[in-house]
This record gives sequence, structure tokens and C-alpha cells, in this order.
Amino acid sequence: DAKTTQPPSMDCAEGRAANLPCNHSTISGNEYVYWYRQIHSQGPQYIIHGLKNNETNEMASLIITEDRKSSTLILPHATLRDTAVYYCIVRPPTSNSGYALNFGKGTSLLVTP
Amino acid sequence: AAGVIQSPRHLIKEKRETATLKCYPIPRHDTVYWYQQGPGQDPQFLISFYEKMQSDKGSIPDRFSAQQFSDYHSELNMSSLELGDSALYFCASSLEWNNEQFFGPGTRLTVL
Repeated sequence: DAKTTQPPSMDCAEGRAANLPCNHSTISGNEYVYWYRQIHSQGPQYIIHGLKNNETNEMASLIITEDRKSSTLILPHATLRDTAVYYCIVRPPTSNSGYALNFGKGTSLLVTP
Repeated sequence: AAGVIQSPRHLIKEKRETATLKCYPIPRHDTVYWYQQGPGQDPQFLISFYEKMQSDKGSIPDRFSAQQFSDYHSELNMSSLELGDSALYFCASSLEWNNEQFFGPGTRLTVL
């Protein structure tokens, strides 16, 4: 699986957009970009994933550059409950046996009042 | 909506003892994953099962074993426990055709 690089920590004011970057310069053509987050000591939570096109759901938006070497997760209106470690994970498409998640270091996002 | 259930939520054992952690996936999910998260560490993949067969193996020690049963629940068996096994153990489940993994609340294992 492609390696990802994320900043270790970021701050964001409550109500503002949080933009979390991820570099994945060795990504292969069929590999997806997934984002998960982990709120302190809870089980990780799926946020969003994408291949080439930008994606949006009720939690966040995912912007993938045209060369697919980097992406940005956007939380449009961060709240205090968004304080968590955010993981960018690159993985191949689904298979019959599924694929384990390779959690890297992640970005610790602190949302402040 | 039903979530992944893990039991027990907390477990305290002595060195060299054994422990069994249980995971009940979301109904109709056919794939189960086990992850270990040590203090201050990121989750590390241990092992996974699809349709009751081992599908992938990560950094699982030889002292650990796991299986998935006919009702799709899974158990992680840990023997000869060491202090370094103290960690949060997460189970996740997914559908074969949709690899979004849903995580349980974890079991916190403390080895004294």
C-alpha cells in the first residue's frame, strides 16, 4: 500500500473549516484514499473515501488533486466534537477477503472554542 | 442501528495468564478485523477473517490466535500474557462488497 504523510497536529477554531492535508505521492492508479478518525480511545470511525473525483458526504468533503499525489479532508464547520486524530489511508479496491487498514501517524486536530 | 459489540470492555490479567476477547460483528457483515492499540500508539492490524476463514495476517504474535465462528462472531485468544500486551483491542466488521470498516468500542486489556 502507498505510504501517506500527514502533519502531526493542527488547530482550528470552532465554526471554521478544518482542512487536513495528506501526501500520498506513491499512490497506484487503482488505490483509493480513505479517511478515518479516532476520538480519544474510541474505535476509529469511517469518514469518507475517494478514487479520483472529489467526494462529499454529511460529515466532510474530500478533495483529491488531479495527479492524485495528495488530498485534503475538509470539515466545513468544525465543532468541539471534531477534536480527534485523523488518519489518511491509501488502499487497493475491495477484494473478497477485505483489506486491513494501515493506520499511519495521523493528524491530531484540536478544535478550540 | 446495531453496532459492533466487544466483550469484555475491560480486562485485567496477570503475566503469563490467558485472555479471550470476543467480537460480535454487525448483522450480515461477513468480515472481521482485529487491531491492537498500545498506549500512545496508532492502531495496528493483527488478523482478519472472511466467511470464517483467515483472510489476512498482520503483526499478530505467535502467542495469539483467533477464529471466526459459524455465527460470524470472532474470538481473540491470548496466551502467556506479557506486560507489553496491555493495550486497547478493537474489532471491526465489514461487508465483503463494501470495505468500510465499522469499529467496536474496544476491550482495554491491562496485564499486571
